[in-house]
Amino acid sequence: RKEVEQDPGPFNVPEGATVAFNCTYSNSASQSFFWYRQDCRKEPKLLMSVYSSGNEDGRFTAQLNRASQYISLLIRDSKLSDSATYLCVVRQAAGNKLTFGGGTRVLVKP
Amino acid sequence: GAVVSQHPSRVICKSGTSVKIECRSLDFQATTMFWYRQFPKQSLMLMATSNEGSKATYEQGVEKDKFLINHASLTLSTLTVTSAHPEDSSFYICSASNSGGAGNEQFFGPGTRLTVL
Repeated sequence: RKEVEQDPGPFNVPEGATVAFNCTYSNSASQSFFWYRQDCRKEPKLLMSVYSSGNEDGRFTAQLNRASQYISLLIRDSKLSDSATYLCVVRQAAGNKLTFGGGTRVLVKP
Repeated sequence: GAVVSQHPSRVICKSGTSVKIECRSLDFQATTMFWYRQFPKQSLMLMATSNEGSKATYEQGVEKDKFLINHASLTLSTLTVTSAHPEDSSFYICSASNSGGAGNEQFFGPGTRLTVL
């Protein structure tokens, strides 16, 4: 079983619509959680950290469910520029090592 | 955020040659640098963690004699792929952190695309 699992998609989303997807992680000792965005053939860029109480950054909302070991990302009012691969990233309790999920591809279409 | 550069951005080489990739932190001192590899349509996989002035820690399954890592200063780490073969063709990405402890953000370089013919 992979440490961090994501639905690879693609999620085809009409412009202006809402899309949400999850990520599950296997290590219950995981300490920190993040969503990164990766555009084709580019490096990943931090989108947002995920906090236990859930957090929002503009059109993006992230949730963490420690009991079920999953995190989610919701994108409201999707823009064409939101088309990308969204990587779920988990940091273990010890050290600064990041474990990446395989990514969920989102395609926003006019 | 902090800036991390990589050089070269793209390299094509013949099988059997060695390729060196540089990772530099431009505006901060990187105590720890990480090297990742990403094959097409796959996730980033951590190859090794390097701390300035000490030997790199390699992940399971990564050959330390094939992927040589040097972190001689607080702003530069290098990855040398020795005797490269076509299966080493991949996207190599470094990241840098100003501390090895948990809670410190990693800043990613733009990546190096290696193609071995």
